[in-house]
Amino acid sequence: KAGVTQTPRYLIKTRGQQVTLSCSPISGHRSVSWYQQTPGQGLQFLFEYFSETQRNKGNFPGRFSGRQFSNSRSEMNVSTLELGDSALYLCASSTTGTSGMDIQYFGAGTRLSVL
Amino acid sequence: QKEVEQNSGPLSVPEGAIASLNCTYSDRGSQSFFWYRQYSGKSPELIMFIYSNGDKEDGRFTAQLNKASQYVSLLIRDSQPSDSATYLCAVSPGGFKTIFGAGTRLFVKA
Repeated sequence: KAGVTQTPRYLIKTRGQQVTLSCSPISGHRSVSWYQQTPGQGLQFLFEYFSETQRNKGNFPGRFSGRQFSNSRSEMNVSTLELGDSALYLCASSTTGTSGMDIQYFGAGTRLSVL
Repeated sequence: QKEVEQNSGPLSVPEGAIASLNCTYSDRGSQSFFWYRQYSGKSPELIMFIYSNGDKEDGRFTAQLNKASQYVSLLIRDSQPSDSATYLCAVSPGGFKTIFGAGTRLFVKA
């Protein structure tokens, strides 16, 4: 069974640009969560999607957005990039994400560098 | 107060010793608790999960949960150099999200 696939693996952008990251969950998994990981802040929850609906959102500005498609694949978008957005962005999928009882499996991540 | 707190370390133990990693959480309603291991430059991978008070053992790993004290720990017996990594404690308070601690760096000296 294929794992969680994130593309691209690396991105270099400049301030003010926008970026779209993609995540394909494990087959059969319908819940996708996104996290930002930085050395100073650790893993920070961005949002969670299930059946194309965002069920929860972390404390990030509106520049961070996401969506999920009918095949459970998800994308996240960051607009008007800032230097502080440089981070490893991780996607995790689980079966249903119900009440947190599900185990999340992580993709390899997308490392974004903003210059 | 952070929602999930861990000692950042680094925690250094000799090979063969027991490594003890600790985590406290603030939401008393939390039901699910996870330990992930993350090697440098890699993504987190699940080691253990625990839902009920008490101990849960899996090979060299034992997770311990005390909901009254809002405390969860991970013991690694017979520590190996390959166990050197950052260990992330994660808590699901419900609401379709998981909160991660900042992680504890573990070094196992050969």
